[in-house]
Amino acid sequence: DSGVTQTPKHLITATGQRVTLRCSPRSGDLSVYWYQQSLDQGLQFLIQYYNGEERAKGNILERFSAQQFPDLHSELNLSSLELGDSALYFCASSVEAGGMLTDTQYFGPGTRLTVL
Amino acid sequence: SQKIEQNSEALNIQEGKTATLTCNYTNYSPAYLQWYRQDPGRGPVFLLLIRENEKEKRKERLKVTFDTTLKQSLFHITASQPADSATYLCALLHMNYGGSQGNLIFGKGTKLSVKP
Repeated sequence: DSGVTQTPKHLITATGQRVTLRCSPRSGDLSVYWYQQSLDQGLQFLIQYYNGEERAKGNILERFSAQQFPDLHSELNLSSLELGDSALYFCASSVEAGGMLTDTQYFGPGTRLTVL
Repeated sequence: SQKIEQNSEALNIQEGKTATLTCNYTNYSPAYLQWYRQDPGRGPVFLLLIRENEKEKRKERLKVTFDTTLKQSLFHITASQPADSATYLCALLHMNYGGSQGNLIFGKGTKLSVKP
């Protein structure tokens, strides 16, 4: 158990809908990262937050957004969902941004999103 | 274009043998490279980190090498066991322009199967 929690575990929804995925980092970790993992693309970095502020951005679509709250939990919002958004979404946390030079990321169990 | 590739999608070996997995990258100059283990339906678990100025790193039965000239990392599991069967991901730190922020770029993974 990494100490990172994600809810829900599974989510099934229809195209065009909007969903929110939630992540609670390990106690004491200030950074939260979101990843998307699909069979053909592998694990893709979406976005990172550090202590409530956006720190780095990857291949995140404009239909997706995220935020980190004062209690450090984070939410990933996916809107206007398409079939291709079906994937596993992972949240990871680490102690600090610290240039990421020595940062180990601890991954949550993931949310499996299915768009029908 | 920038790429990170793991030598094969699947590797089958006999228990007790050494498993060797390869990670090659092009057009990156990573400060470090990490290896993760991922079991089906679960999040990746950090195994080892090796920095650009390190040639080799060991942890129990695991050994990682990093050759920045060849742009390659090798991941070895000695005396392999069926419990080592999993997908192994390599990831490198990609710094953005200006070097102030970075994110992890993951390979698609190699699925290792260790037969008894």
